[in-house]
Amino acid sequence: AQSVSQHNHHVILSEAASLELGCNYSYGGTVNLFWYVQYPGQHLQLLLKYFSGDPLVKGIKGFEAEFIKSKFSFNLRKPSVQWSDTAEYFCAVTAGGNNRLAFGKGNQVVVIP
Amino acid sequence: DAGVIQSPRHEVTEMGQEVTLRCKPISGHDYLFWYRQTMMRGLELLIYFNNNVPIDDSGMPEDRFSAKMPNASFSTLKIQPSEPRDSAVYFCASSFWDRETYGYTFGSGTRLTVV
Repeated sequence: AQSVSQHNHHVILSEAASLELGCNYSYGGTVNLFWYVQYPGQHLQLLLKYFSGDPLVKGIKGFEAEFIKSKFSFNLRKPSVQWSDTAEYFCAVTAGGNNRLAFGKGNQVVVIP
Repeated sequence: DAGVIQSPRHEVTEMGQEVTLRCKPISGHDYLFWYRQTMMRGLELLIYFNNNVPIDDSGMPEDRFSAKMPNASFSTLKIQPSEPRDSAVYFCASSFWDRETYGYTFGSGTRLTVV
């Protein structure tokens, strides 16, 4: 079964700083990759997704992610964060043609005004 | 579309009581998932259905947990008897298997507290 690793569970940064969250998955075949965001007290919302094509994916709210197949990675980036980006971010993957979405443990991001 | 609807939003119950969580998926979605979120374990898939049929229940913690999907618009997750370690946020999600429009939509969750 596929698994997803996210590092640096807690990230604290100031407004306008750049953010990069790492995501690595373990599956050698075709994968679909996702980043979800969970704002405090809310449900998960889709930030962006990758199925095929351009490995640089642009999502909502200025986020982007790059799929690097050789590194089994799908890192999330945002050049300049805002206080409203304080949330928990989850990387997720489906693999092998099944519809089962496996999540990483999440990154808790706190942006200080 | 109203999205995935879960009820109740919050549930506080005493240990040993039966708890039933409810989910209404998005109309037309043919997959439904139940996830549990805790600080210690993150998001865990408990069970998922395809066309109302349970496909994989390997994530269900133990026999105290059961899930049903009697029709395409309704699913329940039941815990009987409940224990304090079951305290968590339970999310329901639904999806439509289509390469162009693929995506999971999550409900707002049920925060369960067992005292």
